[in-house]
Amino acid sequence: AQSVTQLGSHVSVSEGALVLLRCNYSSSVPPYLFWYVQYPNQGLQLLLKYTSAATLVKGINGFEAEFKKSETSFHLTKPSAHMSDAAEYFCAVSDAGSARQLTFGSGTQLTVLP
Amino acid sequence: KAGVTQTPRYLIKTRGQQVTLSCSPISGHRSVSWYQQTPGQGLQFLFEYFSETQRNKGNFPGRFSGRQFSNSRSEMNVSTLELGDSALYLCASTPTTAASYNEQFFGPGTRLTVL
Repeated sequence: AQSVTQLGSHVSVSEGALVLLRCNYSSSVPPYLFWYVQYPNQGLQLLLKYTSAATLVKGINGFEAEFKKSETSFHLTKPSAHMSDAAEYFCAVSDAGSARQLTFGSGTQLTVLP
Repeated sequence: KAGVTQTPRYLIKTRGQQVTLSCSPISGHRSVSWYQQTPGQGLQFLFEYFSETQRNKGNFPGRFSGRQFSNSRSEMNVSTLELGDSALYLCASTPTTAASYNEQFFGPGTRLTVL
């Protein structure tokens, strides 16, 4: 069975500081990994995805994530936080054989301080 | 292209009633998945439909059901509502090209409140 752990349900950073949101996964087969962002009263927007190509994945809005198989991690980073980045972030995993079933982490609420 | 649309956006029901939620996928997407989001349980997979067939189902009771029509629109139904069914129900559609396999595009959700 797959699972995702997001360390830190709440993360606060100052505007302009580095954003680091942590995600560790468990999967018995090579995974597909995703980061989604959710703004209040909205659905989920895909930030980036890893599908076994390059281990460093670049996404929208300046975010990127690195797949580290040895650490079973897929942490999300952004060099400089912007006020508009304040939202909830979800890491998700699926495997190639499970069709469109995503298993989500519990989410990390990012607060950006002025 | 228009995104995934869900109707209604907000719904209030009472215990014991049933409810039907609707989802229209992005044009050309044939796979539709449903998720339930609650503060306590987070995001949980309900089921997935492809070409009018349920291909995958999460761990939810039989009160939760769904279907997909020939135009790929999907509905989910919850019968005999319980207070714990209060949640944001999200629909996602997926392209069928190999390059985008498993990439899901989410709608804004339907907020269901059960009183």
